[in-house]
Amino acid sequence: IAGITQAPTSQILAAGRRMTLRCTQDMRHNAMYWYRQDLGLGLRLIHYSNTAGTTGKGEVPDGYSVSRANTDDFPLTLASAVPSQTSVYFCASSDSGTSDTGELFFGEGSRLTVL
Amino acid sequence: GEDVEQSLFLSVREGDSSVINCTYTDSSSTYLYWYKQEPGAGLQLLTYIFSNMDMKQDQRLTVLLNKKDKHLSLRIADTQTGDSAIYFCAEMNTGFQKLVFGTGTRLLVSP
Repeated sequence: IAGITQAPTSQILAAGRRMTLRCTQDMRHNAMYWYRQDLGLGLRLIHYSNTAGTTGKGEVPDGYSVSRANTDDFPLTLASAVPSQTSVYFCASSDSGTSDTGELFFGEGSRLTVL
Repeated sequence: GEDVEQSLFLSVREGDSSVINCTYTDSSSTYLYWYKQEPGAGLQLLTYIFSNMDMKQDQRLTVLLNKKDKHLSLRIADTQTGDSAIYFCAEMNTGFQKLVFGTGTRLLVSP
């Protein structure tokens, strides 16, 4: 059972470079999310998608973009990475239409360091 | 806007009870959650409580909800070293169908 797969697990990136974090789920969940986790700040929502073909901005969207071409994939792109984007990034999904608890299922995270 | 606050750190001895506290601001929250994050892993749902409940018990876990004070707590009875992790409180924003997470409380259980 795969659930949510994120890639890469870890990456060191030079400032100014473009980077795409990949996220794939095999649970056919309609909603997907990208969070970043920073010490002392918890998890902050970057972007979300309630269904394929739609996306929305979260709490900290600047410098990031997403797309949702199909149900399974939700890539996060940093167009021009900056050191403040050094963080651990988590992708998550939920079956928001039918779930009676709103539970989110998380990937293992992608650790990104921007130098 | 929504704001969820937790203390950052809690240390207990094995066998003791742990109580992790959380305050939130959105009075329209439908569900409140506790997620657990073990080292190097993503978050997993530990338990949740519906907003019309005051208490929920699940084996060693007890969740208490005080809606008047917007206070949520998680009590872990007979805490074990395997309970060492970061615990996140979260509230469901019903308007956007998204979760708002707290800062997380790192629980350290010593033998």
